Amino acid sequence: RKEVEQDPGPFNVPEGATVAFNCTYSNSASQSFFWYRQDCRKEPKLLMSVYSSGNEDGRFTAQLNRASQYISLLIRDSKLSDSATYLCVVRIIDSGAGSYQLTFGKGTKLSVIP
Amino acid sequence: GAGVSQSPSNKVTEKGKDVELRCDPISGHTALYWYRQSLGQGLEFLIYFQGNSAPDKSGLPSDRFSAERTGGSVSTLTIQRTQQEDSAVYLCASSSKTGSRETQYFGPGTRLLVL
Repeated sequence: RKEVEQDPGPFNVPEGATVAFNCTYSNSASQSFFWYRQDCRKEPKLLMSVYSSGNEDGRFTAQLNRASQYISLLIRDSKLSDSATYLCVVRIIDSGAGSYQLTFGKGTKLSVIP
Repeated sequence: GAGVSQSPSNKVTEKGKDVELRCDPISGHTALYWYRQSLGQGLEFLIYFQGNSAPDKSGLPSDRFSAERTGGSVSTLTIQRTQQEDSAVYLCASSSKTGSRETQYFGPGTRLLVL
C-alpha cells in the first residue's frame, strides 16, 4: 500500500464550481500535513498546511481526519487559474532516527473549464 | 529576495557519466532537501540536511547517489555512473525550520536526461 494515496483525476470542473479532493495516508505516526500545488513543468508550491481543527484560506478549506487517516481539500468558486496538480504531503518526524522526510502523493490533476 | 536556485536547468548526459547538480537555498534557511520527480510520478525524497546535524540519507536510491552541503549553504547532488532510469527532474527545497508550520520553498529543478 502506498504511503500517501490520491485520486489522480483529472477532475474537469466548470468555473465557479466547488471541487473536493481526498488523500489517504497509511502511517498513523504521520505528524504534519500539507497541500502543495504544482503547475505543469513547474516546481511545487505550498498551498496550505493542514491543521487538526481544519483551516480555511480564502476559497480553500483543508480538513484532517486522524481517525480515518485522510486529508481533504475543498476549493470553492473555482477559477481558471486553479488548474494545476494538487499534491498531498505528509511528514513523519523521527528525531531519534534523524528522519524528517516528507512523503508526497502523486497528485490530483484539476482542470477548470470556462 | 532571491528564491532557491538550481543549476544547470537542463542536463543531457551519456549513460555511465557522472553529473553534479547544484542547489543554492534561500539565505538563512537551515534545512535543505533534495527530491526527484520522474515523468507522471510524485516527488521522491532523496536526502535532507538540517544545520550541522547528520543528513537523513534514507531516500537515496543507490550508492551512486551522494550529496553534500558545504558551509551550511550550497548543496551538490552527485550521481555517479548515470543510468537511463536516473532521468528525472531533480528538485531542491529549503526551509527555515521543520515541524507543522514549516514552509518549503522549491527551486525550479534540474531536468536530467541520460541517453
